[in-house]
Amino acid sequence: QSALTQPRSVSGSPGQSVTISCTGTRSDVGGYSYVSWYQQHPGRAPKLMIYDVSKRPSGIPDRFSASKSDNTASLTISGLQAEDEADYFCCSYAGSYTFVFGPGTKVTVL
Amino acid sequence: QLQLQESGPGLVKPSETLSLTCSVSGGAISISYYWGWIRQSPGEGLEWIGSIYYNGRSNYNPSLKSRVTISVDTSKNQFSLMLTSVTAADTAVYFCTRQPGVEAPASDWGQGILVAVSS
Repeated sequence: QSALTQPRSVSGSPGQSVTISCTGTRSDVGGYSYVSWYQQHPGRAPKLMIYDVSKRPSGIPDRFSASKSDNTASLTISGLQAEDEADYFCCSYAGSYTFVFGPGTKVTVL
Repeated sequence: QLQLQESGPGLVKPSETLSLTCSVSGGAISISYYWGWIRQSPGEGLEWIGSIYYNGRSNYNPSLKSRVTISVDTSKNQFSLMLTSVTAADTAVYFCTRQPGVEAPASDWGQGILVAVSS
């Protein structure tokens, strides 16, 4: 059982925005500014899209943005594109040099 | 460019020990990074297993700690995972990863290796 909670799926039409939530506790999401988000296409390794709550690694388009409030983090994909269809996982530092993941959210581009 | 490559048996019998190696190329393992393992059960989410610094300092998922050992071999630029007393629940794709810091998320991943636990 995952320590973080995510919606199973979200969908949107091309050009629209979708937001994925990730809920944890004060022991993980709410306790640290170390939430990250991964994108995973079928059969591929996850790709880091966001780290430290809202920072984008080099090469990640600014259509991807993220934030956190209390025990809930959110990832927003603006200007949805067909290539954004994938699974998205949130990850949080959980103290004592450990990490927990969410179960993943499937983003469907209609 | 950094590359991580997992290797090891794709089939392990129940109660035996799963052993995987990650070969690192394009960068030295003995620098300020943490090297780790994450797994993904078929059709399921991700589970952080643990990480290790080049000096051997390791950190493990509390739920797996009693069965996991991660080690590093700087002379071979490799690090390894051992998981003892495996069951079908340990069937998963195992990814080796690199973390920029002990509190930083995995930024580089291997392609993953599927390990099935079955008799």
